[in-house]
Amino acid sequence: DAGVTQSPTHLIKTRGQQVTLRCSPKSGHDTVSWYQQALGQGPQFIFQYYEEEERQRGNFPDRFSGHQFPNYSSELNVNALLLGDSALYLCASSLKGESTDTQYFGPGTRLTVL
Amino acid sequence: KQEVTQIPAALSVPEGENLVLNCSFTDSAIYNLQWFRQDPGKGLTSLLLIQSSQREQTSGRLNASLDKSSGRSTLYIAASQPGDSATYLCAVPPPPGNTGKLIFGQGTTLQVKP
Repeated sequence: DAGVTQSPTHLIKTRGQQVTLRCSPKSGHDTVSWYQQALGQGPQFIFQYYEEEERQRGNFPDRFSGHQFPNYSSELNVNALLLGDSALYLCASSLKGESTDTQYFGPGTRLTVL
Repeated sequence: KQEVTQIPAALSVPEGENLVLNCSFTDSAIYNLQWFRQDPGKGLTSLLLIQSSQREQTSGRLNASLDKSSGRSTLYIAASQPGDSATYLCAVPPPPGNTGKLIFGQGTTLQVKP
């Protein structure tokens, strides 16, 4: 049973560039959430996708956008990168309506903005 | 607004010691609480999930307790080992049926010395 997978594992960009991160949910899951984790901090919720629509959003600017595909995989796009966007980006999947609402996390993508 | 705090931020203990990690939350109307482990630069591994109707959960040498009335959870690690060295995060999930963001504490970084 494949768990949550993310690509790429590491990425280096320069300020002003755009980046796309990818996530495939755990088999059987239909909901994908994205988190940003700065060094030494807990993860911060960016947004969540279900049925190909953004359902909830955290306190992140519009430079952060996403997409969910019919196969439930998801992309996170960040435009006009800033130095402060350097972080570990985590994807989590879950099954909507599951009683425990347990979220399963991927290994993350480490983004460095120079 | 729910806020989650973890104390201490870092902890160093000799191998074999029993230890307690603390997590506090401001809104006691939670449905459950989850503890995660994170190795450096890696994703999150779920350790224990305590339902609001439960007071504790056990997995091997780990025991997590939940006291909603006081807004506290503790993670007890018995007979610590060097392999337990990692960052431990607690998180408050959304109510069942309303899958949404997890709210994380900032984590406790544990070092177990041989």
